[in-house]
Amino acid sequence: KNEVEQSPQNLTAQEGEFITINCSYSVGISALHWLQQHPGGGIVSLFMLSSGKKKHGRLIATINIQEKHSSLHITASHPRDSAVYICAVRRGSGGGADGLTFGKGTHLIIQP
Amino acid sequence: NAGVTQTPKFRILKIGQSMTLQCTQDMNHNYMYWYRQDPGMGLKLIYYSVGAGITDKGEVPNGYNVSRSTTEDFPLRLELAAPSQTSVYFCASSYGGVETQYFGPGTRLLVL
Repeated sequence: KNEVEQSPQNLTAQEGEFITINCSYSVGISALHWLQQHPGGGIVSLFMLSSGKKKHGRLIATINIQEKHSSLHITASHPRDSAVYICAVRRGSGGGADGLTFGKGTHLIIQP
Repeated sequence: NAGVTQTPKFRILKIGQSMTLQCTQDMNHNYMYWYRQDPGMGLKLIYYSVGAGITDKGEVPNGYNVSRSTTEDFPLRLELAAPSQTSVYFCASSYGGVETQYFGPGTRLLVL
């Protein structure tokens, strides 16, 4: 079983829909990252969080440390949001190498 | 700021050849990382560095070597290329261990 699991793997939605992508992890962490990878391949960091909730524009990320679960929400989705969204965790202290452990990503397509 | 730059963008190698993937950052970040991304799989950590002169293995270090002689540069060396090293390689950097990571554009490597 992977240490970081994302669902769904693939998601197709209509423009304007509210999108939720889920991430569950099985190890102790010091931080969780949400990343976006565009069709051209570049990777951009969206959020880094260790508790609570963060918002940036139409994107909202939440984390529940007790349940080892995080969600990424997109409000009023737009075709330009089409990308692969990747959840990654940094292990807590003493948990192994620095660097991130990644989920396999959620491929999101927003149709006009 | 150029951020994180990687060269080359694309390379084809024959089995047994060697090459160095270059990575440079101009943000004065202490931490630098090398990841590989295989189709359908999450990114995996190859090597990382927490400062000049300090490197350590990640999850998949076999077949690779790194050095960190300056804060800015973190080259990844493939000594005897194998088909299993066909992948997209991403370099990333961060100021600290629990900080946002900034990714380079990636190097696509094909070993035939």
